[in-house]
Amino acid sequence: GQQLNQSPQSMFIQEGEDVSMNCTSSSIFNTWLWYKQDPGEGPVLLIALYKAGELTSNGRLTAQFGITRKDSFLNISASIPSDVGIYFCAGQPTYSGAGSYQLTFGKGTKLSVIP
Amino acid sequence: GAGVSQSPSNKVTEKGKDVELRCDPISGHTALYWYRQSLGQGLEFLIYFQGNSAPDKSGLPSDRFSAERTGGSVSTLTIQRTQQEDSAVYLCASSLSSRYTGELFFGEGSRLTVL
Repeated sequence: GQQLNQSPQSMFIQEGEDVSMNCTSSSIFNTWLWYKQDPGEGPVLLIALYKAGELTSNGRLTAQFGITRKDSFLNISASIPSDVGIYFCAGQPTYSGAGSYQLTFGKGTKLSVIP
Repeated sequence: GAGVSQSPSNKVTEKGKDVELRCDPISGHTALYWYRQSLGQGLEFLIYFQGNSAPDKSGLPSDRFSAERTGGSVSTLTIQRTQQEDSAVYLCASSLSSRYTGELFFGEGSRLTVL
């Protein structure tokens, strides 16, 4: 099946630093999504991207849908302690049709912020 | 409530016993998903329900796993004759049936431990 390679696996950063993480795939995706999971909670959607080349911001978060449709990155600017958690990328193969609802998830990037 | 509700939040069982996990999706959401999250791993798709259509069971790992959704709302995931490798967090998610089906709303999960 389709696989997403997410990197880095973990990051330790100082509060105030910027963070960058990315996802790559050997397959084309038509939708890229970024989720954050806090300990003991389910993932929460941060940003959804629907067009190749699209750059979208949500507060201090910025994500881009790669032009090749095989990659995406997430940047967090001026990190704060509450940014701690696991960030997952997810891809959706098509807008409609069989299998379109089966999101493929990366293995996550665990972010730790040192105050 | 306003969010996806899952129960139990924690379940410890002995190998060979059956378990049932329950999910109550967001009111009005016609799509319901079950995912499994093993320690340090991404989310593994298990099963998908959409309205009155036949469910997509392609992600179920073995015939010991089954799920049903009654009345288009509450769903139950059943694992028969549990094995230690079934230990994981089982996440339920729901979404509106629309073009943007990647926008999932997750519950907090049911953590299953098989001794």
